[in-house]
Amino acid sequence: DGGITQSPKYLFRKEGQNVTLSCEQNLNHDAMYWYRQDPGQGLRLIYYSQIVNDFQKGDIAEGYSVSREKKESFPLTVTSAQKNPTAFYLCASSPEDRGRNEQFFGPGTRLTVL
Amino acid sequence: AQSVTQLGSHVSVSEGALVLLRCNYSSSVPPYLFWYVQYPNQGLQLLLKYTSAATLVKGINGFEAEFKKSETSFHLTKPSAHMSDAAEYFCAVSRVSGSARQLTFGSGTQLTVLP
Repeated sequence: DGGITQSPKYLFRKEGQNVTLSCEQNLNHDAMYWYRQDPGQGLRLIYYSQIVNDFQKGDIAEGYSVSREKKESFPLTVTSAQKNPTAFYLCASSPEDRGRNEQFFGPGTRLTVL
Repeated sequence: AQSVTQLGSHVSVSEGALVLLRCNYSSSVPPYLFWYVQYPNQGLQLLLKYTSAATLVKGINGFEAEFKKSETSFHLTKPSAHMSDAAEYFCAVSRVSGSARQLTFGSGTQLTVLP
């Protein structure tokens, strides 16, 4: 089955640690996205990538980093510089980036900082 | 700049009653509009989308939405609510940033269905 997988589903981190969230898709989509979701605030874009080896900052990129070495994979690293990292993180992909097509979402990773 | 406003962060309806979730958008160009549904601790699933074809858009699970340019609205409706419709619903507009389009989401509406 084609789709987007995110791992782990739940992640606990101590303050000061970097953690990496995995996102893999087998939909052959060019564009991939990372969102952060907080209660009552909808989804906010962290980073996006239109093609391999290229990515751009979204609205809230500070304290995060990404890589896009393969078309299928778009991992997100939450660094210790992110002041309030506890949130639900969603990865998405889209067949093209001109906005006509919808984005397909993974099941999410819930990150909790202890 | 594009933006989305969802009126009502919480909506309650009785089972079998009409569901109406409101979404107003702001866009400097003809918009592409989307409605997504999210069940607890899950990702978002597309309900329907408007991409400048028919103004009345039909989606999955009996939902539909009508694009009204004069009112800058894209409200989501369902004639008869079912218990399984209880979830959070997000309206989104496609926006241009540089050479790419991304989605701007509303803050969401939590739908409760009462027995």
